[in-house]
Amino acid sequence: AAGVIQSPRHLIKEKRETATLKCYPIPRHDTVYWYQQGPGQDPQFLISFYEKMQSDKGSIPDRFSAQQFSDYHSELNMSSLELGDSALYFCASSYRGRSGNTIYFGEGSWLTVV
Amino acid sequence: DQQVKQNSPSLSVQEGRISILNCDYTNSMFDYFLWYKKYPAEGPTFLISISSIKDKNEDGRFTVFLNKSAKHLSLHIVPSQPGDSAVYFCAASRVASGGSYIPTFGRGTSLIVHP
Repeated sequence: AAGVIQSPRHLIKEKRETATLKCYPIPRHDTVYWYQQGPGQDPQFLISFYEKMQSDKGSIPDRFSAQQFSDYHSELNMSSLELGDSALYFCASSYRGRSGNTIYFGEGSWLTVV
Repeated sequence: DQQVKQNSPSLSVQEGRISILNCDYTNSMFDYFLWYKKYPAEGPTFLISISSIKDKNEDGRFTVFLNKSAKHLSLHIVPSQPGDSAVYFCAASRVASGGSYIPTFGRGTSLIVHP
């Protein structure tokens, strides 16, 4: 079965640079989520989109923005990168129509800021 | 303030025995609970979930128990196998203002199953 696809898997950027992460949700899923997991931390919710519209916001810094496109893929844009942005970024997707709404995660994108 | 707590950072179990992973939550608004398994450098893999209207859900070797009054859930794996060795995340979710179910995660418990 198709899973959530994230790219790139690894990314190294310098401080103050910009990075863009991409996510392709499971086909027919209508909701996309972005999570950030720092070393030794639990995944923290950043932002979600439902049917290409921003749905909910979590602890996403103002330097970050995200959007969902007409083909349902999503991109997380991170600007003015800081060392503390180094983390594993997960994209997840779900189908809202089902009660409870289990979300399925991608493999993650490792961002290292140097 | 950690709304979902997994107080045991690690658990070591012999192959064939039962593994019990525990999770506590503080927000009574949570109404859907999930367990994920995670290997290093991979994304969390969904294992099993339970709605707040139930107190038990079983799927093969995995059973999740929910005690709403105690705000506690547990994952039982029986029999445990060496391939079960991974980090297990407990997550609790509720519908957010925008309509999405947003899981809040615990810090994870590292399970090691010895052959």
